[in-house]
Amino acid sequence: GQQLNQSPQSMFIQEGEDVSMNCTSSSIFNTWLWYKQDPGEGPVLLIALYKAGELTSNGRLTAQFGTTRKDSFLNISASIPSDVGIYFCAGRDAGGTSYGKLTFGQGTILTVHP
Amino acid sequence: DTEVTQTPKHLVMGMTNKKSLKCEQHMGHRAMYWYKQKAKKPPELMFVYSYEKLSINESVPSRFSPECPNSSLLNLHLHALQPEDSALYLCASSQEATGFEPQHFGDGTRLSIL
Repeated sequence: GQQLNQSPQSMFIQEGEDVSMNCTSSSIFNTWLWYKQDPGEGPVLLIALYKAGELTSNGRLTAQFGTTRKDSFLNISASIPSDVGIYFCAGRDAGGTSYGKLTFGQGTILTVHP
Repeated sequence: DTEVTQTPKHLVMGMTNKKSLKCEQHMGHRAMYWYKQKAKKPPELMFVYSYEKLSINESVPSRFSPECPNSSLLNLHLHALQPEDSALYLCASSQEATGFEPQHFGDGTRLSIL
């Protein structure tokens, strides 16, 4: 089935540094979503993208829908300790017939050292 | 606070027990989902309900039985589970089940099978 390649798998950074992570797919996607999950909680939606080339910000977070429609990236600027968590990309395959079915990346585990 | 509420937060049960997980949303969403999540892995889709009807069953074993009594409620009935079924069970909802609308997750039920 469809797979998303999310990288990096984990990151260890200093507080104040910028972070970048990305997801690529083997087929065209028509929706890209970025979620963050804290321990003991469910994934929280950070940014939703719907058009190729779309660039959207949410505070210190910026995400883009790649122009090829096969990739997306998430940037976090000036990281702080509460950015720690697992970040998941998710998307819907444009050729998919299973309505409502999202494909998830494997996640990026972010650790921020004070 | 999440707008998707799941109860209980934690559940420990034996392999012969019968229990139910409950999910509630009051956002007027017409699509609801059950996911299973293992530690540090992405959520895996189990079931999708659209307008209170089951639209996707991802070949889930029959010991998991979903139920959607109305548009706001989603249950997952559990019977004769196996130790490998221990996981975080997440409920999510979205406006529709087309996949274009983002899914919003609850904080999950942490299930342990003895």
